[in-house]
Amino acid sequence: QKEVEQNSGPLSVPEGAIASLNCTYSDRGSQSFFWYRQYSGKSPELIMSIYSNGDKEDGRFTAQLNKASQYVSLLIRDSQPSDSATYLCAAPSGGSYIPTFGRGTSLIVHP
Amino acid sequence: GAGVSQSPSNKVTEKGKDVELRCDPISGHTALYWYRQRLGQGLEFLIYFQGNSAPDKSGLPSDRFSAERTGESVSTLTIQRTQQEDSAVYLCASSLGGGFNEKLFFGSGTQLSVL
Repeated sequence: QKEVEQNSGPLSVPEGAIASLNCTYSDRGSQSFFWYRQYSGKSPELIMSIYSNGDKEDGRFTAQLNKASQYVSLLIRDSQPSDSATYLCAAPSGGSYIPTFGRGTSLIVHP
Repeated sequence: GAGVSQSPSNKVTEKGKDVELRCDPISGHTALYWYRQRLGQGLEFLIYFQGNSAPDKSGLPSDRFSAERTGESVSTLTIQRTQQEDSAVYLCASSLGGGFNEKLFFGSGTQLSVL
């Protein structure tokens, strides 16, 4: 069974710090990776996508992909209390276009 | 429409009753997904529609669950003879196409409570 694994947390960081969220996946055929943010009681919303090895930056967010290690991460710089949410990692399996989601990591940014 | 629309937003039903959940995707989006999210858990895939292709039903947990989609428009998820373990948020998402790099846009979900 194709799996996407995340530490459920919670990950607690002080305001202004860098939050590092990690994700591993089992299917070497996966070609695309997504980070969704889900506020409590709300639906997931896409914040980053990454397809190639290396880093991809968008504002305070950086996604990192290492296909050899089957590892994806999301860095949030200058964390704000408004970043407090659950972050879901998702990847379609190599033989499918349907994203498999991890269980999500809860991030708490405290003032 | 501007976003993915789901109805009802909340549904309380008695064990054994049938329920129907509705999803209206973003106009022009050919792919539609249903996921289930139990309290404190991740998203569990249920079913996927892409254009006029046969749906991928591999995630449906039992034969009590079924879904339909009319062309590239509205989809309904039906749960027959509901059980307490069916209580969850049912999320619908759509994407422009059905490729590996498609970004999903989610509706606000239907909170189903089975008493």
